[in-house]
Amino acid sequence: NAGVTQTPKFRVLKTGQSMTLLCAQDMNHEYMYWYRQDPGMGLRLIHYSVGEGTTAKGEVPDGYNVSRLKKQNFLLGLESAAPSQTSVYFCASSSHRGRYNEQFFGPGTRLTVL
Amino acid sequence: GQQLNQSPQSMFIQEGEDVSMNCTSSSIFNTWLWYKQDPGEGPVLLIALYKAGELTSNGRLTAQFGITRKDSFLNISASIPSDVGIYFCAGRNTGTASKLTFGTGTRLQVTL
Repeated sequence: NAGVTQTPKFRVLKTGQSMTLLCAQDMNHEYMYWYRQDPGMGLRLIHYSVGEGTTAKGEVPDGYNVSRLKKQNFLLGLESAAPSQTSVYFCASSSHRGRYNEQFFGPGTRLTVL
Repeated sequence: GQQLNQSPQSMFIQEGEDVSMNCTSSSIFNTWLWYKQDPGEGPVLLIALYKAGELTSNGRLTAQFGITRKDSFLNISASIPSDVGIYFCAGRNTGTASKLTFGTGTRLQVTL
């Protein structure tokens, strides 16, 4: 089991460029999440999905779009990158069953927007 | 959006010392979680607490779910160098797609 994987690990963009971050999980989890982490702050939820074909906004969704076409994948897109989107992005997944449905995190993608 | 307040923000301790950190919220949660993040990695779950007043241990780690449901505490006994990292608390309520609200983190550095 690879758990939660993210690609790429690092990326540098120029302002206005677009890119897609890919998250994949092999635990058959229904729920998936995208977070960003900035210095001195905890993780903040960007978007999440409770199942294939569904997405919802989190705390800081502006400037990002997501898609969940397959259960195991959750894509995060930046249509026109801005320096304020320089951050480390984490994907997570969790089961929807029972009480003990904890989130498991990927290793992160470090994005710099110049 | 809400973020939970963690204290201290950072701490330097000597190997072998005990460590205490806490997390407070302005609203209640019915689950509290503690994660550890190593440099360049994603957070890893250490302890989960599901009931107010609950005290749970995982090796040298002990965490408590505050009786008011608005706080939680983490203790690490006899710290070792590999305890270095950032510790995050997180709160969750049922019926919210398991969404987590994270604390601001406590950075722990251990000196020999």
